[in-house]
Amino acid sequence: AQSVTQLDSHVSVSEGTPVLLRCNYSSSYSPSLFWYVQHPNKGLQLLLKYTSAATLVKGINGFEAEFKKSETSFHLTKPSAHMSDAAEYFCVVTPGYGGSQGNLIFGKGTKLSVKP
Amino acid sequence: NAGVTQTPKFRVLKTGQSMTLLCAQDMNHEYMYWYRQDPGMGLRLIHYSVGEGTTAKGEVPDGYNVSRLKKQNFLLGLESAAPSQTSVYFCASRRKLATNYNEQFFGPGTRLTVL
Repeated sequence: AQSVTQLDSHVSVSEGTPVLLRCNYSSSYSPSLFWYVQHPNKGLQLLLKYTSAATLVKGINGFEAEFKKSETSFHLTKPSAHMSDAAEYFCVVTPGYGGSQGNLIFGKGTKLSVKP
Repeated sequence: NAGVTQTPKFRVLKTGQSMTLLCAQDMNHEYMYWYRQDPGMGLRLIHYSVGEGTTAKGEVPDGYNVSRLKKQNFLLGLESAAPSQTSVYFCASRRKLATNYNEQFFGPGTRLTVL
């Protein structure tokens, strides 16, 4: 079975400071992992995905995430926050191969606030 | 290329009324999904389809029905709406591959209020 835990429901940073959004996962299969972003009253946009090719994954808008199998973590980082990064972020897991028709298991989300 | 579209964007129902939400995708994707989003809960899968004419239950299917008569469309029906179905509904689609490494593409959502 798969599950995702986002360790913080709300993170607040100042503009220009680093961002860290934490995610731990559990998966019976070799997982596929994603980070999606949702701006207020909008749909979900893919930030980045882990597909077993490389443990450090770079995404859009300067975000990146590192897959650490030993820690079962997939934390999202950005060196310098921008006001436009204020949104809700979802960590998502699915089995990489077979099972569940690729159904996504969502974390409960982390709301990122960015102060000027 | 419109991607995934949803109709309507907003709707208010009274308890007991019925309605259908329409999802359409123009990417020729085999798989389609319906989710609901509630505050603090993330997204939860209602029903999904792996191809035309096939549907399956997700995590929270009770009170909903779906149909996939055409590959590009996936309909979500509420036969007798209840206040507990007040939520934001998202449709998504994905290509069928041997692995699950490809992402789902999401529509803009439908905000449904049941009074």
